[in-house]
Amino acid sequence: DTGVSQNPRHKITKRGQNVTFRCDPISEHNRLYWYRQTLGQGPEFLTYFQNEAQLEKSRLLSDRFSAERPKGSFSTLEIQRTEQGDSAMYLCASSIIQGSDTIYFGEGSWLTVV
Amino acid sequence: AQRVTQPEKLLSVFKGAPVELKCNYSYSGSPELFWYVQYSRQRLQLLLRHISRESIKGFTADLNKGETSFHLKKPFAQEEDSAMYYCAPPAYNFNKFYFGSGTKLNVKP
Repeated sequence: DTGVSQNPRHKITKRGQNVTFRCDPISEHNRLYWYRQTLGQGPEFLTYFQNEAQLEKSRLLSDRFSAERPKGSFSTLEIQRTEQGDSAMYLCASSIIQGSDTIYFGEGSWLTVV
Repeated sequence: AQRVTQPEKLLSVFKGAPVELKCNYSYSGSPELFWYVQYSRQRLQLLLRHISRESIKGFTADLNKGETSFHLKKPFAQEEDSAMYYCAPPAYNFNKFYFGSGTKLNVKP
């Protein structure tokens, strides 16, 4: 499967713990995006990278959230001191830099904070 | 920033009936609009985009600037069309998409 890959697919953690999600984009894609989706809502933009540079962050991305893409390939999204409100599906997507090209989503990582 | 409204959370139709999933947007420029679909247990994927003016799986979507709408239509719904549908305009430089809250389409046999 050469699509966007995310892991872990599911994570249950206790409030206050740190969690990290990994995303491997489609190999030739130089844009990588993180979205968050809660029940009954569409995906909400969190941040995006162009190669290794993080070019935009949403206000949804509090200081407990940090995303990296150190070599312009895979990316990690870390949430520190998790709260119950962080429970959501975290979606990664990638695309090439070419005008109106589409973005391709991974299957997502479910986070449940208990 | 673009905003999109999908007024229906759930739309149920019988197989063979026409279906229209509504999307209204607010945008100050010339919009580019996309429809994404998520079938059960599958990832979110592109269904169609305004600029291509194509029909995918029998679905079409017409941009109506006067009504600021981009409704998704299909003349004869099939059971396999049952899914979540999201209207999604991109930001001007395609660095992100703004997703609506989605409409769940349920096609009954």
